[in-house]
Amino acid sequence: EAQVTQNPRYLITVTGKKLTVTCSQNMNHEYMSWYRQDPGLGLRQIYYSMNVEVTDKGDVPEGYKVSRKEKRNFPLILESPSPNQTSLYFCASSPSSRGSNQPQHFGDGTRLSIL
Amino acid sequence: ILNVEQSPQSLHVQEGDSTSFTCSFPSSNFYALHWYRWETAKSPEALFVMTLNGDEKKKGRISATLNTKEGYSYLYIKGSQPEDSATYLCAFIHPFGNEKLTFGTGTRLTIIP
Repeated sequence: EAQVTQNPRYLITVTGKKLTVTCSQNMNHEYMSWYRQDPGLGLRQIYYSMNVEVTDKGDVPEGYKVSRKEKRNFPLILESPSPNQTSLYFCASSPSSRGSNQPQHFGDGTRLSIL
Repeated sequence: ILNVEQSPQSLHVQEGDSTSFTCSFPSSNFYALHWYRWETAKSPEALFVMTLNGDEKKKGRISATLNTKEGYSYLYIKGSQPEDSATYLCAFIHPFGNEKLTFGTGTRLTIIP
């Protein structure tokens, strides 16, 4: 089944403890992206990647890192999480590096709580 | 950060009625606009990708139009059904090939049986 898989789905952790949220897609998509969703603010793009080893900042990249060493994986790294990073996170992918003319396929979301 | 606005923020519609809502975006240098449907506790699902001024797209009872010169897109739902209850999101794709997406905050639609 074609899908975008995020892990974990839920995580409660403490300030400063490094964490990684994994994202994997099995559709051979070139474009991958991370979003956070906060009440009243909608989905905001954190980072995106147009292909392997090509990543770029979205609108809210501060406090996050990403890497794209393989086509299928696009992990989101929080080196020193803080409470303001408590949010619902979505990973998404689309077929071509030109994400504009192809819709995004979203994972099921990861709910992070940073205490 | 580009401004993408959706209105209204929320909407209650009687089952069987038709409805529409708006996504406004910068009219200069348009590249593409996406519409997504997002049900509670699920992930957003793509409805339409709009790229050309005057585009009209349809999927069942849902359709969308695009006016890039004035910077808006309408989403229409004909004969609303309870399963149409969801948040509808539009996403503006930045021009100049950098492939950033900026989402609006969504229109939350509730269908009253």
